Amino acid sequence: AQSVAQPEDQVNVAEGNPLTVKCTYSVSGNPYLFWYVQYPNRGLQFLLKYITGDNLVKGSYGFEAEFNKSQTSFHLKKPSALVSDSALYFCAVRDSSYKLIFGSGTRLLVRP
Amino acid sequence: DAGVTQSPTHLIKTRGQQVTLRCSPKSGHDTVSWYQQALGQGPQFIFQYYEEEERQRGNFPDRFSGHQFPNYSSELNVNALLLGDSALYLCASKAISGYTFGSGTRLTVV
Repeated sequence: AQSVAQPEDQVNVAEGNPLTVKCTYSVSGNPYLFWYVQYPNRGLQFLLKYITGDNLVKGSYGFEAEFNKSQTSFHLKKPSALVSDSALYFCAVRDSSYKLIFGSGTRLLVRP
Repeated sequence: DAGVTQSPTHLIKTRGQQVTLRCSPKSGHDTVSWYQQALGQGPQFIFQYYEEEERQRGNFPDRFSGHQFPNYSSELNVNALLLGDSALYLCASKAISGYTFGSGTRLTVV
């Protein structure tokens, strides 16, 4: 069965510092991986996806993610965090029936 | 170009009642999926509709049912509401380019 794991409930980082939000996956076949962000009382906003190709994926709002097949990871990164990046982040994998399977989410807190 | 639109935004229902949530997909998107997001958890897949038929279903009881109309819009119906049905219900529409989510309907069962 396909699954994703987000090992950190919360990540704290100072504004201007780099941030990483971790995600590992378990799939059969080639993984289709996604990152979404959720602000309070809002739906999910798409950040980026990995289907195939370059292991470093560029996304919205300056975010990027690094796909690592050997470590089955898809970590979300940003070189310089903003206070406005504080939100809930979800990693997801698409299964063979095209439904998304989400991780439990990681709360990112960027302090000024 | 309008994104995914969901209505209502908030809803309060009593245990045992029935509720209908609505979703209009993004223009050009023909596949609609529904997800339940309980407080503090990631979204859980309920079901997916394509060509007016339920194509996939997650681990949800038959109290959860849906419908897709010829214009691709969709409804989620929940019967005999339980307190545990309180959640944010998200609709997502899909095209080749990817998935777009609506802002959700916050359902509170009291």
